[in-house]
Amino acid sequence: DAKTTQPPSMDCAEGRAANLPCNHSTISGNEYVYWYRQIHSQGPQYIIHGLKNNETNEMASLIITEDRKSSTLILPHATLRDTAVYYCIVMLTDSWGKLQFGAGTQVVVTP
Amino acid sequence: DVKVTQSSRYLVKRTGEKVFLECVQDMDHENMFWYRQDPGLGLRLIYFSYDVKMKEKGDIPEGYSVSREKKERFSLILESASTNQTSMYLCASSSRLAPYGYTFGSGTRLTVV
Repeated sequence: DAKTTQPPSMDCAEGRAANLPCNHSTISGNEYVYWYRQIHSQGPQYIIHGLKNNETNEMASLIITEDRKSSTLILPHATLRDTAVYYCIVMLTDSWGKLQFGAGTQVVVTP
Repeated sequence: DVKVTQSSRYLVKRTGEKVFLECVQDMDHENMFWYRQDPGLGLRLIYFSYDVKMKEKGDIPEGYSVSREKKERFSLILESASTNQTSMYLCASSSRLAPYGYTFGSGTRLTVV
């Protein structure tokens, strides 16, 4: 499975867009990019995933570069409740669904 | 609201005790997982199950066993608890149709003294 690189931390002002980068230069053609987040003292929460095309849901947008070597998770209007550790995970899809979590990015949204 | 429920939020056990951590999901998911989370080490997969009575070792199965007698319930067993098993334990489930779309429980913080 491809390895990901994320910045250890980043700050974001409330109400602004938060752009979270993730590098996955060794990703293979059939590996998906998944994003999860973990708010303090809670279990991780699924956000979004994609293969090649950009994706959007009610929580966030996922932009994947054309060469698929990097991606960006966008929280369009960050709130204080978005303060969390965000995990970018690249996985080959199989029916077992074994996720491997890295260190993630600690995002702090400030007033 | 769909849910993964872990039986205890906080648990304190003595060294050598047999400990059962229970996890129940109400989404009819085939896959269930047990992770532990420690500062600086992140989330590590202990065991997972993709069907009733089926189990597979994760990355750190030593000192643990699991049981899945019913589809909705996945139990983690510490045969003889040790202090290095003090940790946050997280259960998750996912559907075979969306295997990486996990739903996690709130976690059990286990302290072994």
